[in-house]
Amino acid sequence: AQSVTQPDIHITVSEGASLELRCNYSYGATPYLFWYVQSPGQGLQLLLKYFSGDTLVQGIKGFEAEFKRSQSSFNLRKPSVHWSDAAEYFCAVGPPIPDKLIFGTGTRLQVFP
Amino acid sequence: GAVVSQHPSRVICKSGTSVKIECRSLDFQATTMFWYRQFPKQSLMLMATSNEGSKATYEQGVEKDKFLINHASLTLSTLTVTSAHPEDSSFYICSAWGQGVSDTQYFGPGTRLTVL
Repeated sequence: AQSVTQPDIHITVSEGASLELRCNYSYGATPYLFWYVQSPGQGLQLLLKYFSGDTLVQGIKGFEAEFKRSQSSFNLRKPSVHWSDAAEYFCAVGPPIPDKLIFGTGTRLQVFP
Repeated sequence: GAVVSQHPSRVICKSGTSVKIECRSLDFQATTMFWYRQFPKQSLMLMATSNEGSKATYEQGVEKDKFLINHASLTLSTLTVTSAHPEDSSFYICSAWGQGVSDTQYFGPGTRLTVL
């Protein structure tokens, strides 16, 4: 079965602290992996994506993610969180051609000053 | 980057009425558009995929007679919720992909539907 698991429903960090959001996937073919961010009442903004090549990908807003095939994981990281990073983060997996994306249940990030 | 808009951003309607939501690709031709539904504090679930000029393909469990999707042009897709009921209240998000334009979908800002 195809699925995406984000084990952490809610994470709270202090501003300036490092961040790691976990994502594990189950997919029958070569996965194309994505991280999106959603602010309250807003649509989705693509942070980064992995298709192939270097397993460490850089995205916008200082985020990066590492693809680990052996662990079926695609964790999102940021070395120093800003208050404006507070939002909902979704990991997603899909096929090579843009098609149905399977989303995780999301992780809500709260940032304390 | 590619921009996708949705209109309206919010709509409130009475039970039994129909509501139309528009999804437009502003600066590219969208070969394929996707409609997702998001319940409060939950993830996005794909409702249907529409290709320009073709009938939409609905996901299992989505009533195609209730959620009418039209993709009449390369820049516009519409979702009509017919005979809306309170349980249809949700956040509806579209995304668009253009062949040769990008290798990923671009998402619209979403439409909040509230059925009274």
